[in-house]
Amino acid sequence: EAGVTQSPTHLIKTRGQQVTLRCSPISGHTSVYWYQQALGLGLQFLLWYDEGEERNRGNFPPRFSGRQFPNYSSELNVNALELEDSALYLCASSLGTDTQYFGPGTRLTVL
Amino acid sequence: TQLLEQSPQFLSIQEGENLTVYCNSSSVFSSLQWYRQEPGEGPVLLVTVVTGGEVKKLKRLTFQFGDARKDSSLHITAAQPGDTGLYLCAGAYGNKLVFGAGTILRVKS
Repeated sequence: EAGVTQSPTHLIKTRGQQVTLRCSPISGHTSVYWYQQALGLGLQFLLWYDEGEERNRGNFPPRFSGRQFPNYSSELNVNALELEDSALYLCASSLGTDTQYFGPGTRLTVL
Repeated sequence: TQLLEQSPQFLSIQEGENLTVYCNSSSVFSSLQWYRQEPGEGPVLLVTVVTGGEVKKLKRLTFQFGDARKDSSLHITAAQPGDTGLYLCAGAYGNKLVFGAGTILRVKS
């Protein structure tokens, strides 16, 4: 069974640009979570989607947004990129609020 | 605010030694997960503990959930270089998963 997949693996952007990250959950999982893992800051919760709806949001500005598609895959969009947005962005999926399984992450570097 | 305090932050030991990582909170969690993460990769689930007082073993790793479901520990027996990595505890609180800051473990051969 395939795990959580994320694309792209790595991304380099410049300040002010916009980026879209993608995540495909484990088959059968309806919930997708997004986390930011910046160097030295641990995992910070960004967004939770379940059944196509945004269920919860972490303490991040509105330029972080996303959506979940009918096939339960998800996108994370970040507008007006800032240097401090450089981080590993992790997607996790679960069945409801059960245990979360993580993807390999997307490494975003903002120059 | 639910906080998970994880200790120690960093551990460097010799191959064959034992170690324990602790995860503590003032909040009660419905479940607690332990993950291991290697640099540049996503966290990999090691175990989920649900019942207060529960003990689970995974080869040389022993996980314990506190009776009050506020704390947990991970004990590694006879550590090996392959155990090197970042160990994260995460507590489930309602629909949230709260992560500890992590313990960086380095096992030297």
